[in-house]
Amino acid sequence: EIVLTQSPATLSLSPGERATLSCRASQSVNTYLAWYRQKPGQAPRLLIYDASNRATGIPARFSGSGSGTDFTLTISSLEPEDFAVYYCQQRSNWPLTFGGGTKVEIK
Amino acid sequence: QVQLQESGPGLVKPSETLSLTCTVSGGSISHYYWNWIRQPPGKGLEWIGYVYSSGSTNYNPSLKSRVTISSDTSKNQFSLKLSSVTAADTAVYYCARALTLSPGRLDPWGQGTLVTVSS
Repeated sequence: EIVLTQSPATLSLSPGERATLSCRASQSVNTYLAWYRQKPGQAPRLLIYDASNRATGIPARFSGSGSGTDFTLTISSLEPEDFAVYYCQQRSNWPLTFGGGTKVEIK
Repeated sequence: QVQLQESGPGLVKPSETLSLTCTVSGGSISHYYWNWIRQPPGKGLEWIGYVYSSGSTNYNPSLKSRVTISSDTSKNQFSLKLSSVTAADTAVYYCARALTLSPGRLDPWGQGTLVTVSS
C-alpha cells in the first residue's frame, strides 16, 4: 500500500499567518491526492481534491499543489477555525490511505 | 444536500460482531461509492472499505477477512459488519460518500459514532 508521510507533525502559528503543510507519498500518486481538515470532535471535511481543486464551499485561502510524490497545502491567512488537524489521502491505488496528520496549533 | 448518519451499538464485547448502519438522506444511494473509515481515539484515519450502489465491494486487505459491507437501496442505507472484534477495533466509525467518477474522493462524511470493544 502507499504510505503518506506528513510534515511537520505540529505547526505553531498565529492567526493571520501563512501555513504550509507537506505530504510525501512512498510512490507516485499522480495528482490523486486530497486534503481534509478535522476540527476537534468533528468528522474530517474535504478541502482539496486531485491535488489542487477546492471542494464546494471551501474558501480561497486554501490552496493545494504538487504531483507525483510531493504535495503541499497552503493556508494563506489562518482563521480561528483553521486551528485543527489536517490529513492528506491518496486515491491512486487501493486501499485508500491517509497520512498521519499535521496539527496546526495556536502559537 | 446529502447527509449521512451512522447508527449502531456503542459497546461491543470482544470476539463478537460490530454492526453499524449509515442512513443517507437528501439524495439517493444509487451511482455512488459508500465508504466506511475508522479512527481510534487520538490516532489517524483508516479506510475500511466500500460498497458501490451496484453491490460490488472493495475492502482494506488488513481487515478483509473480517469485514462485510452491504447496501439496502430500498432503505437508502448501507451497513458495516466487522467480526471477531478486539480492543484494537475501538474507534470512531465514519461513513462517507464518493462519486462514481472520483472513487476515493470522500465527501461528505457522517458525524461518526464511537464504538468501544470491552467486556
